[in-house]
Amino acid sequence: AQKITQTQPGMFVQEKEAVTLDCTYDTSDPSYGLFWYKQPSSGEMIFLIYQGSYDQQNATEGRYSLNFQKARKSANLVISASQLGDSAMYFCAMREGSGYALNFGKGTSLLVTP
Amino acid sequence: DAGITQSPRYKITETGRQVTLMCHQTWSHSYMFWYRQDLGHGLRLIYYSAAADITDKGEVPDGYVVSRSKTENFPLTLESATRSQTSVYFCASSEGTSGYNEQFFGPGTRLTVL
Repeated sequence: AQKITQTQPGMFVQEKEAVTLDCTYDTSDPSYGLFWYKQPSSGEMIFLIYQGSYDQQNATEGRYSLNFQKARKSANLVISASQLGDSAMYFCAMREGSGYALNFGKGTSLLVTP
Repeated sequence: DAGITQSPRYKITETGRQVTLMCHQTWSHSYMFWYRQDLGHGLRLIYYSAAADITDKGEVPDGYVVSRSKTENFPLTLESATRSQTSVYFCASSEGTSGYNEQFFGPGTRLTVL
């Protein structure tokens, strides 16, 4: 069964607008971590933000914030004030407390337009 | 330079040939991982290693072999390449697997099997 679901294959946003990328997850482990990575067209994987299952507050890193709704098992990435350089694939991933590796979603392609 | 490197960056081979993808990290991270990225699948774990001489299978290990004789190196071998192994391969490392320990990714190797 898919542990990470990203339902938006592609998204468009205008420059300077905010955009939300959806991510839902499935786990029965009470301890887990959620990660977002950015993959620009050059191909590298860039870590953006992390949210732990026991964290009381939503994570923020500059223009990135994570809308963590534990009861709904969602961890949406919010990018504020979009820039042209934000155009990329975005992957949500989860590491369960009992595991070593990351389970990735299929990704969302974001295109920022002028 | 410090970081995680992969070689070669691009490789074309033929069905049935043996291919080895190299991964080297300079952080002395205990954990190392191999993922493959295919369109529509996100990243899927092939193998991981918790320390030198300790390796274990991931989600898609068939047709691959790994070794880890030194902490800093984690080569991935395709013993007899098949067309279905055409993919982009990412190596990653992390200091730990709990909490905030993010995985750092190499630049990837694009492998084409003809």
